[in-house]
Amino acid sequence: GNSVTQMEGPVTLSEEAFLTINCTYTATGYPSLFWYVQYPGEGLQLLLKATKADDKGSNKGFEATYRKETTSFHLEKGSVQVSDSAVYFCALSDHGSSNTGKLIFGQGTTLQVKP
Amino acid sequence: SAVISQKPSRDICQRGTSLTIQCQVDSQVTMMFWYRQQPGQSLTLIATANQGSEATYESGFVIDKFPISRPNLTFSTLTVSNMSPEDSSIYLCSVGYRGLNTEAFFGQGTRLTVV
Repeated sequence: GNSVTQMEGPVTLSEEAFLTINCTYTATGYPSLFWYVQYPGEGLQLLLKATKADDKGSNKGFEATYRKETTSFHLEKGSVQVSDSAVYFCALSDHGSSNTGKLIFGQGTTLQVKP
Repeated sequence: SAVISQKPSRDICQRGTSLTIQCQVDSQVTMMFWYRQQPGQSLTLIATANQGSEATYESGFVIDKFPISRPNLTFSTLTVSNMSPEDSSIYLCSVGYRGLNTEAFFGQGTRLTVV
């Protein structure tokens, strides 16, 4: 079945460091891919998405490119801030559900940014 | 997008009791889902809430333990029945729209502690 695998955390970086959080997926067909962010004590917010191969999603300085050849959707940011400290979830849409918003999530990666 | 209100935001409950969580959306949505996020874990789909009919449960979740209602296109409830400490989790309501490449929107979640 479909699945998502993320790099284990926590990831601890200094402010202004470069961030990469790896995400790979297994899926049949052509799923859409998402990164969600969960700030402490809050629900999930969509950070960015990509709907087809070679698409690049971007938001708030974060980027991720849909790589079908490597089945990956790695999240990157050139210069992190303390306010980026959160848990990041990679997810794919389960197209077996006729594109309804039903998602399969990776295990989440905790990012801690220190001043 | 959709604005989702979940109530209560948190609760502490005695084992053996039940808690009903409400999810209200500000617009009519096609799909509503309930997820569970156990401490330090990723999100696991409990069920899809179907309007006017029984919910569709994922493997490992049953109606007797997690009864779900969805009387209309903007409202759903999840009940956690006969609670034990293992039910301590964050429960999240999510909504989606049927169509191509749609993302899911999430409520703030209900943080449940069972003592």
